Amino acid sequence: GNSVTQMEGPVTLSEEAFLTINCTYTATGYPSLFWYVQYPGEGLQLLLKATKADDKGSNKGFEATYRKETTSFHLEKGSVQVSDSAVYFCALRGGYNKLIFGAGTRLAVHP
Amino acid sequence: ETGVTQTPRHLVMGMTNKKSLKCEQHLGHNAMYWYKQSAKKPLELMFVYSLEERVENNSVPSRFSPECPNSSHLFLHLHTLQPEDSALYLCASSQEGSPEKLFFGSGTQLSVL
Repeated sequence: GNSVTQMEGPVTLSEEAFLTINCTYTATGYPSLFWYVQYPGEGLQLLLKATKADDKGSNKGFEATYRKETTSFHLEKGSVQVSDSAVYFCALRGGYNKLIFGAGTRLAVHP
Repeated sequence: ETGVTQTPRHLVMGMTNKKSLKCEQHLGHNAMYWYKQSAKKPLELMFVYSLEERVENNSVPSRFSPECPNSSHLFLHLHTLQPEDSALYLCASSQEGSPEKLFFGSGTQLSVL
């Protein structure tokens, strides 16, 4: 079945460091892929998406590229800020009304 | 109010209690979802309602009972829960057929003693 695997956190970085959060997926076909972010005390919100192979999604300095050959959708940011501290979820579209999420990766950025 | 609102924010209940979680959306969406967020586990889709009909039930135990009286409101009725049911319960909504445009509430943090 469809599933998403994320690197286990927490990821702890200093401000302005480079960020990579790994995400790999198992799916039938080539589903749309997403990154959601959950700030403390809030629900998840869409960060970026990619709908087909080789697409690059980007938003707020974050990027992720849909790699079908490695079934991956790793999240990257060149220079993180304290305000980026949150939990990041990778997800794929698993059906007509269905998103399948990973377990989330907590990011803590220190000044 | 706009967005997706969940109440209560926090709930502590005993295993013999009956309680309900409430979700309300003001976005004009016609699909609503319950997700369970547990530490170090994938976010778990529990129920999906589309056009007020339940279209997804992912083998959730019967001690969780959803109700969707109209397209703006969603409830999760809880009874005889177990300690392992302690988690953050998230409600979300979207337009029917567009799960990629989910809007989430802030969740109800449930503790079962």
